[in-house]
Amino acid sequence: QQQVKQSPQSLIVQKGGISIINCAYENTAFDYFPWYQQFPGKGPALLIAIRPDVSEKKEGRFTISFNKSAKQFSLHIMDSQPGDSATYFCAARYTGNQFYFGTGTSLTVIP
Amino acid sequence: KAGVTQTPRYLIKTRGQQVTLSCSPISGHRSVSWYQQTPGQGLQFLFEYFSETQRNKGNFPGRFSGRQFSNSRSEMNVSTLELGDSALYLCASSREPGLQDNEQFFGPGTRLTVL
Repeated sequence: QQQVKQSPQSLIVQKGGISIINCAYENTAFDYFPWYQQFPGKGPALLIAIRPDVSEKKEGRFTISFNKSAKQFSLHIMDSQPGDSATYFCAARYTGNQFYFGTGTSLTVIP
Repeated sequence: KAGVTQTPRYLIKTRGQQVTLSCSPISGHRSVSWYQQTPGQGLQFLFEYFSETQRNKGNFPGRFSGRQFSNSRSEMNVSTLELGDSALYLCASSREPGLQDNEQFFGPGTRLTVL
């Protein structure tokens, strides 16, 4: 059973556009929600993270929106650049350090 | 500060063999988690170690095991390899469980191919 559901599976955006990736979860015991960026041949790297008591967090061009009642959270990439082309994973943390990951979104930003 | 290192980076084995993968966490990090990444299943949690003790275990068969040493380095072992074990195995280190913003840093992974 997939604990964290992520959509879309792939996304193509024009340079300068907004990329939006969505995730949903069921387990209300999750207490920390990070987003990771992964380039081919590399391990995932933390992009931005949020706790469930916060509704929005912004770092540069990256914003997480969190809706606790709907059990959904999303990543918004503003002014998308070709260098943002990568696979993005949402995740949720349970019991200290056990993370459940979404299935990933392959983002392609067209110049 | 050096990042998480994993060895070997690539490994080719045949069915029925066993394999041991190694992970050295970032200096000062005491928690190590292992994940299996495949195109179909994404990243799946294998297990987590802290202070040489397994704290959590994912839904994998007993063929998958691990351990952590006193210097926080960790190894995972897969016995009786199956074709479906072909994957990228990722190690992630963090300071310690329970911290509110306990960021995990991932290594580059070990690409295991089972023939």
